[in-house]
Amino acid sequence: GNSVTQMEGPVTLSEEAFLTINCTYTATGYPSLFWYVQYPGEGLQLLLKATKADDKGSNKGFEATYRKETTSFHLEKGSVQVSDSAVYFCALRPNSGGSNYKLTFGKGTLLTVNP
Amino acid sequence: DVKVTQSSRYLVKRTGEKVFLECVQDMDHENMFWYRQDPGLGLRLIYFSYDVKMKEKGDIPEGYSVSREKKERFSLILESASTNQTSMYLCASSLGGATSYEQYFGPGTRLTVT
Repeated sequence: GNSVTQMEGPVTLSEEAFLTINCTYTATGYPSLFWYVQYPGEGLQLLLKATKADDKGSNKGFEATYRKETTSFHLEKGSVQVSDSAVYFCALRPNSGGSNYKLTFGKGTLLTVNP
Repeated sequence: DVKVTQSSRYLVKRTGEKVFLECVQDMDHENMFWYRQDPGLGLRLIYFSYDVKMKEKGDIPEGYSVSREKKERFSLILESASTNQTSMYLCASSLGGATSYEQYFGPGTRLTVT
């Protein structure tokens, strides 16, 4: 079946530090890949997505590139801010088969950014 | 903007009670979802509905049922609440068909069963 593995947290950084959160996946075919963010006390929001190999998703200074050869979709940001403190979820959605509505999530990575 | 609302942010119920969690979306989305979120486990799909009165089991449907009588409303029912159902419950909705990429989430209901 499909699965998503992301780096265990928590991750604690100082403001303006470089961020990488690793995400790898197992799936048949060519799934769509997503990063969701959950700020304290809120639901999940879509941060960025990529729908085919070598696509780069980007939003709010975050980037992730769909790497088919390494089955990865690592999240990066060059300079984090305190307001980026949140839980980040990597997810995949199959693009074929009967369950192509279904998102499979990683376990989430808690990021804390200190001033 | 898409808005997904959930009836309660916090709920405390006793073991054995019947519990209803309500979710409403205002964007005429075909698909609606119920997840539970637990530390270290991420989000797990409980049930999915792709149309009024239509539903499919997700990964962990045991102990839950759902109801979708109107397109905008999707209810999660715990027939007899148990302590292992203490969790954060998240509702989501999305467009149906081939473009159903993005799921929009509500703020969640934190349920405690004592």
